[in-house]
Amino acid sequence: QVQLVESGGGVVQPGRSLRLSCAASGFTFSSYGMHWVRQAPGKGLEWVAVISKDGINKYYADSVKGRFTISKDNSKNTLYLQLNSLRAEDTAVYYCAKAGGGYCSNWGQGTLVTVSS
Amino acid sequence: DIVMTQSPDSLAVSLGERATINCKSSQSILYSSDNKNYLAWYQQKSGQPPKLLIYWASTRESGVPDRFSGSGSGTDFTLTISSLQAEDVAVYYCQQYYSTPYTFGQGTKLEMK
Repeated sequence: QVQLVESGGGVVQPGRSLRLSCAASGFTFSSYGMHWVRQAPGKGLEWVAVISKDGINKYYADSVKGRFTISKDNSKNTLYLQLNSLRAEDTAVYYCAKAGGGYCSNWGQGTLVTVSS
Repeated sequence: DIVMTQSPDSLAVSLGERATINCKSSQSILYSSDNKNYLAWYQQKSGQPPKLLIYWASTRESGVPDRFSGSGSGTDFTLTISSLQAEDVAVYYCQQYYSTPYTFGQGTKLEMK
């Protein structure tokens, strides 16, 4: 069965950086694109980024473009999200999700990022 | 960017009654080359990650009860729960994956009356 486990969240000061990881198992990781989606406390879902199965094509939400970088290591079955120049409004639970035909077919439990001084 | 607007924001339905949630996109998300609507529906219960219910606007994900159905085309879509069960209390989101950025609706909170 598909399993996605996020890690790397925590409390970080504004302007600092953080790297999130998502360990995947139960499917052929190299055959699927992957998404990051976030949810601020008490708010709705916000799509953040998607990466193609081979890691070449990457797309971002305008709110994170130029600050966040999505990547995947198919040899380690792991998805990453590098978060730079963090702002208070980046505080959220970050979910990784396996891509279906563009939709999010399976979701992890999420990791909480809190940006605060 | 494509804006997704759900209605209503919240909904209270009695056990066994029908629940209907609407989702409207700011432009058509029907791709002419494959005649598919690039729309998904998700369910999020309190304290849990979202769960995929419906994709391609009307295809039910494996394991999803058949009381859940999706319909619509172009810019107007509907998620229907034919007979509400207690376990269906949740927030429901639509999402377009026609073009990046892939955008979600604001969510509809479904409660039991």
